[in-house]
Amino acid sequence: GAVVSQHPSWVICKSGTSVKIECRSLDFQATTMFWYRQFPKQSLMLMATSNEGSKATYEQGVEKDKFLINHASLTLSTLTVTSAHPEDSSFYICSAEGQDIDYGYTFGSGTRLTVV
Amino acid sequence: AQSVTQLGSHVSVSEGALVLLRCNYSSSVPPYLFWYVQYPNQGLQLLLKYTSAATLVKGINGFEAEFKKSETSFHLTKPSAHMSDAAEYFCAVTPPWRNNRLAFGKGNQVVVIP
Repeated sequence: GAVVSQHPSWVICKSGTSVKIECRSLDFQATTMFWYRQFPKQSLMLMATSNEGSKATYEQGVEKDKFLINHASLTLSTLTVTSAHPEDSSFYICSAEGQDIDYGYTFGSGTRLTVV
Repeated sequence: AQSVTQLGSHVSVSEGALVLLRCNYSSSVPPYLFWYVQYPNQGLQLLLKYTSAATLVKGINGFEAEFKKSETSFHLTKPSAHMSDAAEYFCAVTPPWRNNRLAFGKGNQVVVIP
């Protein structure tokens, strides 16, 4: 089946530093990748949609200069949280969609970011 | 635009009893519908999906869901709850074409009582 690998699983960083989160589709080509943020006890909030080789489309209210998304290949997308602050602490999850709907929007395992 | 309503953020069920999680959707076009399960500090795992084929969909872990267009519903059921079913469950909807976002419900936290 379709597998999406997300790394790291958790990361702690100091305020002001940048953190990169990787999302890879292991056995299929992901034409589109989605990045979500999830607050405790809440649903997923879509941050941005990225298509391979083009600029990401950000949801309203999401700072594109703070959350940099790169989708350089059909198997890799990265989210970089720049100049992180404690309020950026959250659970970030990626999702990838391939050519076949049977892949059903496969999700990564998530990244717990804590900014101290 | 598509949206999903999941009522009752917390659902308690006794071990061995029926699990029923309700999902009602709103969509201007025939939708694709999904149920996902999330365990603490993990991503979402697909339980089952409806993509315009059979209206009764069977998924993993003994779960199934029935698409009812007349009721705009896609309720999730499992005949007998197991302790391992304790998790967060999300219903999601999307239009039936490529590369479109999922719209999630608020989720149901299922607690299984021994």
